[in-house]
Amino acid sequence: SYELTQPPSVSVSPGQTASITCSGDKLGNKYICWYQQKPGQSPVLVIYQDNKRPSGIPERFSGSNSGNTATLTISGTQAMDEADYYCQAWDDTTGVFGGGTKLTVL
Amino acid sequence: QVQLQESGPGLVKPSGTLSLTCAVSGGSISSDNWWSWVRQPPGKGLEWIGEIYHSGTTNYNPSLKSRVTISIDKSKNQVSLRLSSVTAADTAVYYCVRETVAVRSYYYMDVWGKGATVTVSS
Repeated sequence: SYELTQPPSVSVSPGQTASITCSGDKLGNKYICWYQQKPGQSPVLVIYQDNKRPSGIPERFSGSNSGNTATLTISGTQAMDEADYYCQAWDDTTGVFGGGTKLTVL
Repeated sequence: QVQLQESGPGLVKPSGTLSLTCAVSGGSISSDNWWSWVRQPPGKGLEWIGEIYHSGTTNYNPSLKSRVTISIDKSKNQVSLRLSSVTAADTAVYYCVRETVAVRSYYYMDVWGKGATVTVSS
């Protein structure tokens, strides 16, 4: 079965750039989504189709996907961005999530 | 604005069947969307369970396929999930999710319900 691998945790200082990676075999041939989940809340879509932002998502969130790695980049990270982040792709007709990355802003 | 509301028993006995319903409001379940179920065990990550289109076409996670049934009731504008032979490992928050088309046959999960907590215990 297809697997997506994320680092368990990433730390960043306020105002700096955070990068969260998601790796999988030939991932660049698939579209990737990223979801943000804060404690006790449902996931929120922040990036879809590799690099598109839904309405209402701040411009500081961006995405890229090439080769075997997709990256979620948060520029000028704010305290409110502290959350768990999950990548997601489709393996044919099966949805696959990465294990999640806890972003700490300190 | 489409909203999704999950409902169902919060406690299910081991070996029993978990049944949840997702009521869709603010939009039609017969629109060009797939409707997914995703679960999250306590303190763990997200797991995709399966999806259904208004035509009745379904796709399931191979790891759960033998135990899962997702159905759609267009008259009630709702989607249902049944998971049989449950164990403690099925204890989780279960989310109903709308998928929207971006390009060609690529859909992304854009609307999530608040989730329903289901505990499997005797």
